[in-house]
Amino acid sequence: AQKVTQAQTEISVVEKEDVTLDCVYETRDTTYYLFWYKQPPSGELVFLIRRNSFDEQNEISGRYSWNFQKSTSSFNFTITASQVVDSAVYFCAVTIQGAQKLVFGQGTRLTINP
Amino acid sequence: DAMVIQNPRYQVTQFGKPVTLSCSQTLNHNVMYWYQQKSSQAPKLLFHYYDKDFNNEADTPDNFQSRRPNTSFCFLDIRSPGLGDAAMYLCATSGDGNWEETQYFGPGTRLLVL
Repeated sequence: AQKVTQAQTEISVVEKEDVTLDCVYETRDTTYYLFWYKQPPSGELVFLIRRNSFDEQNEISGRYSWNFQKSTSSFNFTITASQVVDSAVYFCAVTIQGAQKLVFGQGTRLTINP
Repeated sequence: DAMVIQNPRYQVTQFGKPVTLSCSQTLNHNVMYWYQQKSSQAPKLLFHYYDKDFNNEADTPDNFQSRRPNTSFCFLDIRSPGLGDAAMYLCATSGDGNWEETQYFGPGTRLLVL
């Protein structure tokens, strides 16, 4: 069975600090996709990134970056120069071949203080 | 902009009184999903439609039903809501129905049961 662990339940930092959200996944499949979603207080899940298991290249999008390490089954998310608007719950998720479902981690609540 | 729309955003119902939540999409996606998300928890998949084919998760209670009259609309019916059914209900869509596709979420409907 697949499992996603986000060990950090809550993180609180001061604005402009860098922050990394950890995600560790478990799957026996060699083909899978990893996702990050942001859930602001309004409740909508906002898609951030999708990464397939064969592409270990790190990705940067503005202040956001993702580090995928297959050797440690981790897909960590870093926000550089955090802003108050980054405050949200962030979910990491995995989907495997043949399964029409996302398996979510428990989420990390990130609070950016001014 | 193409999007996933959920109405209403907030719904109050009485214990045991049937309630219907609505989801529509302008993305012309084949697959539509319903998730239940309780406070401080990850979203949990209830069921999904691949076109007109209904796929129920094994642990979804019989109290929850769904209808998809056409490509654009999908409804979640709760036949006899209990206090434990109070939650955020999220609708999502994905394109062709391939397992690796990104799911795009609506803003959710927050259900309160009195």
